[in-house]
Amino acid sequence: GENVEQHPSTLSVQEGDSAVIKCTYSDSASNYFPWYKQELGKGPQLIIDIRSNVGEKKDQRIAVTLNKTAKHFSLHITETQPEDSAVYFCAASTGNYGQNFVFGPGTRLSVLP
Amino acid sequence: SQTIHQWPATLVQPVGSPLSLECTVEGTSNPNLYWYRQAAGRGLQLLFYSVGIGQISSEVPQNLSASRPQDRQFILSSKKLLLSDSGFYLCAWSLIYGYTFGSGTRLTVV
Repeated sequence: GENVEQHPSTLSVQEGDSAVIKCTYSDSASNYFPWYKQELGKGPQLIIDIRSNVGEKKDQRIAVTLNKTAKHFSLHITETQPEDSAVYFCAASTGNYGQNFVFGPGTRLSVLP
Repeated sequence: SQTIHQWPATLVQPVGSPLSLECTVEGTSNPNLYWYRQAAGRGLQLLFYSVGIGQISSEVPQNLSASRPQDRQFILSSKKLLLSDSGFYLCAWSLIYGYTFGSGTRLTVV
C-alpha cells in the first residue's frame, strides 16, 4: 500500500522568511496530493491540493510542487506570518476511500515574530 | 454548502464506561465518512470508514466500533473505555476528492 513520508517533523522560521515542507510517496498510482493545516485543538483544514496532471499550483502565499518521476511533492509558504504556525499534513491518494488516502506524519511549523 | 458537525467537543470519561461520539453531515448525499484518532502530538490514524449506510470498514483492531444508521450520520462507540482510548477524535467526509474534517472531540479517559 501507499506510504507517505514527511520532512521535517518540526520547522522554525523567522516571520517573513519562507518555509518548505517535503513529502514523498511510494505508490506511483497516486494522483491526488492535498495539504492540510491543523491549528491547536481544531480539525485539519484543506489549504491547497494538486492533481498528478499538474506540476505546480499557487494560491497567494502558498504553493505546492509535484515531481511525479521522483514521487515527491512540497509545500512552499512565502512571507510567513505568526498565524501560519500550525501542524501541516500532506496526503497522497489513488482514490477517495479509506486506506487509499494516506496522510504523512505531520510537520509542526513555528513562525517566530 | 456542506457542513459537518461533531460533538461533544470535550469529554472526560472513567475507565470502563461506555462511549458514543456522533458526527453528522449536511448539504450532501451519500458521502464517504471517516473516523480518525490523533494521539497528542501525533499524526492521523484512520479508525473506520464507511461508503454507505450500514457499511463499515475497520482499519485497526481496537476497543471501538462504528455505525452508520443514516446516510449522513456516523457514530463511534465503545462498550468499555480503556486509558489508551484517550485522544483527539476527528470525523471527516468526502465525495470525490479531499476530506473535510469536523472540529474534533477531545476524549480523556481517567
